[in-house]
Amino acid sequence: EPEVTQTPSHQVTQMGQEVILRCVPISNHLYFYWYRQILGQKVEFLVSFYNNEISEKSEIFDDQFSVERPDGSNFTLKIRSTKLEDSAMYFCASSEHQFSNQPQHFGDGTRLSIL
Amino acid sequence: DAKTTQPPSMDCAEGRAANLPCNHSTISGNEYVYWYRQIHSQGPQYIIHGLKNNETNEMASLIITEDRKSSTLILPHATLRDTAVYYCIVPGNAGGTSYGKLTFGQGTILTVHP
Repeated sequence: EPEVTQTPSHQVTQMGQEVILRCVPISNHLYFYWYRQILGQKVEFLVSFYNNEISEKSEIFDDQFSVERPDGSNFTLKIRSTKLEDSAMYFCASSEHQFSNQPQHFGDGTRLSIL
Repeated sequence: DAKTTQPPSMDCAEGRAANLPCNHSTISGNEYVYWYRQIHSQGPQYIIHGLKNNETNEMASLIITEDRKSSTLILPHATLRDTAVYYCIVPGNAGGTSYGKLTFGQGTILTVHP
C-alpha cells in the first residue's frame, strides 16, 4: 500500500541553524500538509500546499517557516533559524483531492531536537 | 471545524469489540466525520470516514446517528496493538475558508488489556 515517507526520522540541530525536513507524498496525491506535535501535546496543523502554493497556514507558520516542492516527488519544510521551542515531531501528510471526502495520509514523522 | 467531544479514556478486553463514541452536534449537512488513531507518537493513521451512512472497512465500522450529531467507531475484535489515541474529527468544509486542515483534539486513549 502506498505510504508517505519522511526523512530523516530524527534530526538534531543547534539552535539558530537551518533545518530542512523532507517528505515524499503518495505519488498521485495533489494536496500536501505539515503538522507538528510537541511532546505531550496535540497534533497541530502548520500549512497546506497545493499547485505550488500555500493554501492555508496556521499562526505557528511564521516567517521562519517555508515549504517547497522542489521536484515532482519531494515536499519539504524549512525552518530558517531554529529555536528551542521548535523541538517537536513533524508530520507530513498528503491527500488525493481537496479534502472534504478524501482522507489525509500521514508519514511517521521526523523528530526534531533543537539543542 | 465542527467541535467534537470524546471520552478521555476507555478500556477494552482483548478480543472484544471496542466502541468509541463521539459527539459532533454542530456538524453541518455536508461535513464528513473522520476517525484517526495515533499509536505512541507515530504518525496519525487514517481509519475510516463517513457522511450519513454507516461505513465498514477492514479496520473498523463507523455508525453515524440519523441526525448526524454523534457517531461510534467500532473495532470488532480489539487486539493489544489497537491500544492508541483515537481521534474523531470533523474538518472544515473544503471550498470555504478551510482547505482541509485537520484539527486534532485530545482524543480517546483506548487501552486494550489481555
